[in-house]
Amino acid sequence: SAVISQKPSRDICQRGTSLTIQCQVDSQVTMMFWYRQQPGQSLTLIATANQGSEATYESGFVIDKFPISRPNLTFSTLTVSNMSPEDSSIYLCSVSISGQGDGYTFGSGTRLTVV
Amino acid sequence: AQSVTQPDIHITVSEGASLELRCNYSYGATPYLFWYVQSPGQGLQLLLKYFSGDTLVQGIKGFEAEFKRSQSSFNLRKPSVHWSDAAEYFCAVGGPFTGANNLFFGTGTRLTVIP
Repeated sequence: SAVISQKPSRDICQRGTSLTIQCQVDSQVTMMFWYRQQPGQSLTLIATANQGSEATYESGFVIDKFPISRPNLTFSTLTVSNMSPEDSSIYLCSVSISGQGDGYTFGSGTRLTVV
Repeated sequence: AQSVTQPDIHITVSEGASLELRCNYSYGATPYLFWYVQSPGQGLQLLLKYFSGDTLVQGIKGFEAEFKRSQSSFNLRKPSVHWSDAAEYFCAVGGPFTGANNLFFGTGTRLTVIP
């Protein structure tokens, strides 16, 4: 399975600022997924990042708030823009190397607190 | 509506006791089924997965899960719980029958292990 390096692992940010989260994968992958896990809740998909094309966002998430870059097949960033306390969550990236039947690997997550 | 349900929000078991965590899904066809574990402050680790074949699936850390088509269930079990099993457990579904490339997660079950 893939190994994902996600950073930062945690951050405390002032409201109104932006934070960029990075995910580096040790294998080339077509799709990378970004999830949000709000306190005490499950994971919700923010967007799917494909190399060479615009990310596909889920309902309730917009590119201006969560811009995503995917410059190559092993790297992606998610930016949380103009943050408010409601953005305090764990953000996780995920990939699947061999297709959905093999399961998905997750990064260790970024715990974001907005004050 | 398509969904994955974990009926138990929080379960407490004694160390050495057996464990069963419930998961039910509602899809037109059997999706791929996964169990993940999230330890405090950590990312998600895949425990086991099912997409076809033997309905009793063995995973890591002594966990197993049984797929029951008639009940649309994929319950996670462990015969003897260890204190280190205390964590959040997520059931997830994926695969072509979901109509998406990503995973869909249940709300999670928090496991507390008491001495």
